[in-house]
Amino acid sequence: QLQLQESGPGLVKPSETLSLTCTVSGGSISSNSHYWGWIRQTPGKGLEWIGNIYYSGSTYYNPSLKSRVAISVDTSKNRFSLKLSSLTAADTAVYYCARRSSGALDYWGLGTLVTVSS
Amino acid sequence: SYELTQPPSVSVSPGQTASITCAGDKLEDKYASWYQQKPGQSPVLVIYQDNKRPSGIPERFSGSNSGNTATLTISGAQTMDEADYYCQAWDSNTGVFGGGTKLTVL
Repeated sequence: QLQLQESGPGLVKPSETLSLTCTVSGGSISSNSHYWGWIRQTPGKGLEWIGNIYYSGSTYYNPSLKSRVAISVDTSKNRFSLKLSSLTAADTAVYYCARRSSGALDYWGLGTLVTVSS
Repeated sequence: SYELTQPPSVSVSPGQTASITCAGDKLEDKYASWYQQKPGQSPVLVIYQDNKRPSGIPERFSGSNSGNTATLTISGAQTMDEADYYCQAWDSNTGVFGGGTKLTVL
């Protein structure tokens, strides 16, 4: 059974850069059928797609976040990562990693709450 | 940028049919997916490629997509189906979510 697990700091200061990692188990991140991505959900609000990465390294980003986002992949460790810079309180959210397959997000991590506060 | 619009809330009685709509420009040209999210939990995929059900999703969940509207239908809704539902599509490899619909079953 495929599992995804987010990890990273729960508290980050304004203007700093958030770094999160998603570790994939029960399957290979190098599958040529899937993308791997990040989604966030602000408290009490809806879902916002952040971006996707293919195992080869090709990426797609939400245009509204593109200037601040970088997603990378480490196939040797079967994981991928998110960096989000110039943080503000508006970036406080639960961050999920997920697998994209057949055009849908079929496996999700449990999510990790990130609070931006001094 | 591409937008998907959902009603904020839908209410049904147990055993009745719930329909949740998702509107977007020429949405029928894209595949729509639907996710169920219960409080404190991660979203769960319930419909993909407009009308396909992942393994383990009950048959009472179905989907359609025509014109500018995709629809999630829950036939014989149960109290366990009470949750937030989000539609999602891809626009030029950019992911877009609808704002979500709170389904109340009571």
